[in-house]
Amino acid sequence: DAKTTQPPSMDCAEGRAANLPCNHSTISGNEYVYWYRQIHSQGPQYIIHGLKNNETNEMASLIITEDRKSSTLILPHATLRDTAVYYCIVILTGGGNKLTFGTGTQLKVEL
Amino acid sequence: GAVVSQHPSWVICKSGTSVKIECRSLDFQATTMFWYRQFPKQSLMLMATSNEGSKATYEQGVEKDKFLINHASLTLSTLTVTSAHPEDSSFYICSARGARAWNTEAFFGQGTRLTVV
Repeated sequence: DAKTTQPPSMDCAEGRAANLPCNHSTISGNEYVYWYRQIHSQGPQYIIHGLKNNETNEMASLIITEDRKSSTLILPHATLRDTAVYYCIVILTGGGNKLTFGTGTQLKVEL
Repeated sequence: GAVVSQHPSWVICKSGTSVKIECRSLDFQATTMFWYRQFPKQSLMLMATSNEGSKATYEQGVEKDKFLINHASLTLSTLTVTSAHPEDSSFYICSARGARAWNTEAFFGQGTRLTVV
């Protein structure tokens, strides 16, 4: 699976958009980009995933560059409850393929 | 999203005893389950992958005789930490994935905090 690079930490003001970047320059054509987050002392929570098109759901938007070498997770109106570690993971398709977590980005949402 | 339930949420046990952690998929059939452990301020480390009805595949460095994994049904997997020692104290998390589509997301349990004294 392709390796990902994320900034270790980011701050965001409550109510503003949080834009979390991820580099995956070695991604291959059949690898998806998945985003999870982990709030302190809880299991990871699935946020969104995509292949090459931009995706949006009730939690977030995922913007993938045309060359697929990077992506950005957007939380449109961050709240204090969005404070968490956000993980960007690139994975081959297939139900048995394992999710390997990097170090992620610690997002701190402040008043 | 789908629900994965882990039990217990926390457990304290004496050194040398065994502890069993259960992971259940409540509203879908989990053909594959993953077990992770997480030490404080670190990321999740994959321990093993199990497919229903098959033996688990362990990651390098994980002792299969110490961390027994059973995935006997499509909704239940168990992790047994045998002869636990203080260094096994950690946050253990399971993840389940179904087979309804070939790009399914994985859902995680809430984790089990194990403390060995």
